Amino acid sequence: GNSVTQMEGPVTLSEEAFLTINCTYTATGYPSLFWYVQYPGEGLQLLLKATKADDKGSNKGFEATYRKETTSFHLEKGSVQVSDSAVYFCALTFYGGATNKLIFGTGTLLAVQP
Amino acid sequence: DTAVSQTPKYLVTQMGNDKSIKCEQNLGHDTMYWYKQDSKKFLKIMFSYNNKELIINETVPNRFSPKSPDKAHLNLHINSLELGDSAVYFCASSQLMTSTDTQYFGPGTRLTVL
Repeated sequence: GNSVTQMEGPVTLSEEAFLTINCTYTATGYPSLFWYVQYPGEGLQLLLKATKADDKGSNKGFEATYRKETTSFHLEKGSVQVSDSAVYFCALTFYGGATNKLIFGTGTLLAVQP
Repeated sequence: DTAVSQTPKYLVTQMGNDKSIKCEQNLGHDTMYWYKQDSKKFLKIMFSYNNKELIINETVPNRFSPKSPDKAHLNLHINSLELGDSAVYFCASSQLMTSTDTQYFGPGTRLTVL
């Protein structure tokens, strides 16, 4: 079946540190990949996405590259801020079908300390 | 100018009661979803409607009944509430079967069953 695996959290970093949150997927076919972010007490916001192999999604200093050969979509940011503290979800879906439910990973809590 | 809105934001009720959560989107999308987020932050699809027709039902108990009066609304009615129904419920919408199909989420409804 289709699934997403994320690294366990929490991830605790100091401000300006480099961030990597690992995400790998298992899929029958070629999914589109997403990172969603959930700030404390809020809903999910789309952070970035990539729809085909070697695509790089980027937004707000975050980047992730769709790697078909390693079935990965790791999230990176060069210098985190306290305001980046949130739960990050990796997800996949299949466009163009009769349904396109999002399949989420378990989420990774990021805590950035000043 | 909220894109996807849900009411209420918080819902506290007793076991055995019946309650409804409402969702509205003003993005002109043709597909709407309900997701459940449990206490460990895990997100899972429950239902999806496309043009008012049910297209996903992920083995959710019969006590949960979605209703879509039109493309812009998807309500969730829950009968005979149980303790295990306590969770955050997120509504989302998208335009299905397009290359830019992205799901946009509401702020969530935190349901607490006592």
